[in-house]
Amino acid sequence: AQTVTQSQPEMSVQEAETVTLSCTYDTSENNYYLFWYKQPPSRQMILVIRQEAYKQQNATENRFSVNFQKAAKSFSLKISDSQLGDTAMYFCAFRETSGSRLTFGEGTQLTVNP
Amino acid sequence: GAVVSQHPSRVICKSGTSVKIECRSLDFQATTMFWYRQFPKQSLMLMATSNEGSKATYEQGVEKDKFLINHASLTLSTLTVTSAHPEDSSFYICSARPTGIWTEAFFGQGTRLTVV
Repeated sequence: AQTVTQSQPEMSVQEAETVTLSCTYDTSENNYYLFWYKQPPSRQMILVIRQEAYKQQNATENRFSVNFQKAAKSFSLKISDSQLGDTAMYFCAFRETSGSRLTFGEGTQLTVNP
Repeated sequence: GAVVSQHPSRVICKSGTSVKIECRSLDFQATTMFWYRQFPKQSLMLMATSNEGSKATYEQGVEKDKFLINHASLTLSTLTVTSAHPEDSSFYICSARPTGIWTEAFFGQGTRLTVV
């Protein structure tokens, strides 16, 4: 069974600075997808970024980028130029290519301070 | 595009009654929908996977007779909490994966259920 681990329950960062959230996972699969979801106080789950395991290039979406280390089974999220609206719970998630269910990590509560 | 609407957003019901939560994909068809439960400051816990036209697949430890799931069409899945008790109070979230080659699923806004 796949597992996803986020070892940082809480993090804080100053506005405009950069922060990195950690995520590790365990799987015996070679092809899969990894995601970072954001859950703000409204509790709406929002996809931040996704990575296909077969792609060596790290995914980027504006201020969000990942550091995907397949051999180490690591998938960290870097948020540049942090904004107050980035304050949220962030979940790392895994899905097999052939599967449909998502496996979520425990989440990291990020607070951006003014 | 890819909007999932979940209704109601909040509901309060009395112990012993049943409550139905709807999950609709507004602009796409979803063969598969998922129901999650989330406790405060915790992660999402998958309760069941529903497939259109067939019985839902429940995760271990989830009572299928208490949490009835119906996925009667490609755009609608419902979760009915039967004979609700205060311990069923929680935040319930649905998600839907579009039919075809899609890598991601889309989430509803969630439903805050309070059983009094």
